[in-house]
Order: sequence, then C-alpha cells, then structure tokens
Amino acid sequence: DVKVTQSSRYLVKRTGEKVFLECVQDMDHENMFWYRQDPGLGLRLIYFSYDVKMKEKGDIPEGYSVSREKKERFSLILESASTNQTSMYLCASSLLARAGYEQYFGPGTRLTVT
Amino acid sequence: QKEVEQNSGPLSVPEGAIASLNCTYSDRGSQSFFWYRQYSGKSPELIMSIYSNGDKEDGRFTAQLNKASQYVSLLIRDSQPSDSATYLCAVMTGRRALTFGSGTRLQVQP
Repeated sequence: DVKVTQSSRYLVKRTGEKVFLECVQDMDHENMFWYRQDPGLGLRLIYFSYDVKMKEKGDIPEGYSVSREKKERFSLILESASTNQTSMYLCASSLLARAGYEQYFGPGTRLTVT
Repeated sequence: QKEVEQNSGPLSVPEGAIASLNCTYSDRGSQSFFWYRQYSGKSPELIMSIYSNGDKEDGRFTAQLNKASQYVSLLIRDSQPSDSATYLCAVMTGRRALTFGSGTRLQVQP
C-alpha cells in the first residue's frame, strides 16, 4: 500500500511566520505534489516535483516555495504566512512511469494563520 | 470556462439506488481520468481510473468515458449510506499533474 504522510494534521501560525509543511512517501514515487483545498474552490495545485531538486510551478505558486532534497520527501514553505493562506494542504505522490499517473494523497494539514 | 466541471450537488439518492455523477472537461488532449472520493475532513481517496472510451467496472463502481463528448461519469450501484461523500473528478492534461473539479456531494438516504 502506498503511504503518504504529512508532518502535522493541524497547525496554527501567526501572520508573518515562516511555515514548513513536510510530506514523506514510502513507495519510491518520482512525482510529488502540493495542493491546497478551499470550500468552493476545490483542489488547486501549488507546486509539483518530478525528480529530486526539480520543481515546477502549479496554478497558485505565489507566496510558496518548495524543496525536494531527497526522493521521498517534499516540503512546502510559506515564506511569510498570511491569513489568506489559511487552508487545507494536501500532499500527493505518483509514479513517473505508471500510465495515467494515479496520485495518492496524504491525510492533509489544516493550517490556520491568525 | 473551468477546465473540469462538476455539478456541486447535493445529489440525493435512496439507499439501493444507482447514483450517477458527471464531469465534463475542456482539454480535448486529455488522456487520463480519475474519480476520487472524499469524506468530510479527510483527504481524497482514489476509487477509479479510466483511460479509454467506454466503461470500466470495479465492484459497485462503473466509470464511463466519452472523449468525443468530453465527459466522464461515475455510476455507483446499490448505493449505501457509507457512499455519502464528495466525489472529485480529475483529469490529466498536458502536464504531469491533475486538474480537479470542485466535486459533487452525494447523499445516500437510508
């Protein structure tokens, strides 16, 4: 079974803080993704990575950065948290070679910025 | 126009009935299509993938794909209250990431 884990289920941070969200997968997947999910807006892609040290911007990368130093780990960084970054953050992973790139999600981190 | 569109619902069906969930997409070049189920407060769970025109069955679930009409649907037979959730349609477009619809909330009435 694919296992994707995220460092925290719930997180409360103050405006202006630097925030790190970590994601680890144990299935040797090449691709990893960060989404945020907001009511009425659905899942929106922030960044993704298809290899170590590689990253690509998704649909809403502003205010975020990512790091992938090891294949199994993909970190999302909020450089200076703002209240409009309060959201559910979901990490996912998929195989590069598998047809269709089926993605598997972690449990999510609900971030509140006050 | 949104890239992937779903009716937000709620879609309410009685227990034992067939639930029909629909999704349309705008990119004719899309090749891969997925249905995820998401319970309230939980992360999405992959339930079906489909790549070719026609039907694909897996237990009580059937995915249907019509690339000419640019729609994909999910049928749930013998619906159970435990099927009550939001169902997300996702489409693989030109990049390696998925584009998701906003989801359809399904309510199965006992």
